[in-house]
Amino acid sequence: DGGITQSPKYLFRKEGQNVTLSCEQNLNHDAMYWYRQDPGQGLRLIYYSQIVNDFQKGDIAEGYSVSREKKESFPLTVTSAQKNPTAFYLCASSIWVDTEAFFGQGTRLTVV
Amino acid sequence: GESVGLHLPTLSVQEGDNSIINCAYSNSASDYFIWYKQESGKGPQFIIDIRSNMDKRQGQRVTVLLNKTVKHLSLQIAATQPGDSAVYFCAEGESTGGFKTIFGAGTRLFVKA
Repeated sequence: DGGITQSPKYLFRKEGQNVTLSCEQNLNHDAMYWYRQDPGQGLRLIYYSQIVNDFQKGDIAEGYSVSREKKESFPLTVTSAQKNPTAFYLCASSIWVDTEAFFGQGTRLTVV
Repeated sequence: GESVGLHLPTLSVQEGDNSIINCAYSNSASDYFIWYKQESGKGPQFIIDIRSNMDKRQGQRVTVLLNKTVKHLSLQIAATQPGDSAVYFCAEGESTGGFKTIFGAGTRLFVKA
C-alpha cells in the first residue's frame, strides 16, 4: 500500500523538552511539507522540502527544525523554543509543488 | 501564515440538497487551485483541482468554478450526503517562482439527515 505515515498519533511532551515527529512516504514524491493546525483554524506551513538535502522555511518556522536526508523521510523536531507547541501536526507529500498533496493522518502534540 | 481564521464559517444543508462552498483567494499570480476535505481528527484529502486556464472542472458529484476576475473559487457538491460533512479547504498556489501554496481558513459543512 502506498501512502504517507505519521507517527505517533498522539504525543505528550513536558515543557522544555524537544520532540521529533516522524513522517515517512513510499509514494516516491519529491516534495514534502509540514503544517500546523490549531483548533478551528486552517493549515499553516512550517517547513517544506522540494528535494533531498534541501528544505525551506514556511510561514511559522520559528521553534521548529527539519531534516531531509532521505527522499522518503521528513522528520519534524519541535524544540523548546516553540512557545505554543500544542497543536495538530500534518505532514504531506506531493509529486511536485503544484500538484495535489497527500496528507498523513496527523500527530496531535500536547505539552503538559 | 495566510488566511487563518479564528472561527470556521459553517454551511448547513439538508441531505439531498446541493452545497456550494466559496473561497476568495488572495494571490493574482496563483495558477493552480485545489479543494481538500478534512474529516475530524484526520488529514485533508484531495477532492478536485483546477488550473488557471480553466473556469470549470467537474468530478464525481463535485464541480469547481474559478472566476479569476474577482479571485473567487467555489466547490459545488451535488446531492449532499451525510458523509460529506467535514471541513473543506481551498488551496491556491503558484507553479513558478518557487513554492507558494496557501490554504484558506476552511468551511465546515454540516449535512442534516
